[in-house]
Amino acid sequence: DTAVSQTPKYLVTQMGNDKSIKCEQNLGHDTMYWYKQDSKKFLKIMFSYNNKELIINETVPNRFSPKSPDKAHLNLHINSLELGDSAVYFCASTSILAGGHKETQYFGPGTRLLVL
Amino acid sequence: AQTVTQSQPEMSVQEAETVTLSCTYDTSESNYYLFWYKQPPSRQMILVIRQEAYKQQNATENRFSVNFQKAAKSFSLKISDSQLGDTAMYFCAFMRNTDKLIFGTGTRLQVFP
Repeated sequence: DTAVSQTPKYLVTQMGNDKSIKCEQNLGHDTMYWYKQDSKKFLKIMFSYNNKELIINETVPNRFSPKSPDKAHLNLHINSLELGDSAVYFCASTSILAGGHKETQYFGPGTRLLVL
Repeated sequence: AQTVTQSQPEMSVQEAETVTLSCTYDTSESNYYLFWYKQPPSRQMILVIRQEAYKQQNATENRFSVNFQKAAKSFSLKISDSQLGDTAMYFCAFMRNTDKLIFGTGTRLQVFP
């Protein structure tokens, strides 16, 4: 029944490793996002995909590569992990309603990444 | 660029009382959306309430209501009859019609018995 799910929920890894976080939504939405929440709880957009096409890329280091195999999935791959990548990563999804209005963004439970 | 400001880092309220969380934003757009999200210790981001800028009527959802002042660019959240389960971080957020959410820095709300 989970609307937006993320795996894994927790990820502990060493500096320099490569890791992936997966996101899936079963809401039939066509737009998905990745947000990063830092240690001070500040939330910031990283990427957005609409129908598998990248539409927002917010000056994120190119070590971060999102991939959308279909409109229900958006994965985030991170190469050469650094200490500063430690954060909670949230996936979200939404759709465009009739008349061009935006649906609310619904969030996944978050993935807490700790880089040692 | 749009910005969202939450000037109260922490607030506290007694159970059953009313509390108001402040939010101001800056934009030159006329068409946009405003949201309040709640993040309890479980860290799940939960939508509390949503307001479309073109609607003059303030949104309400049970015990939660907003005071939307478009000219003043103010969007405060009122929680009536506060409950212990309302303890959480509350984030105000702004969104244009086809864009991302821009969040404020959050207000930590503690409800005391």
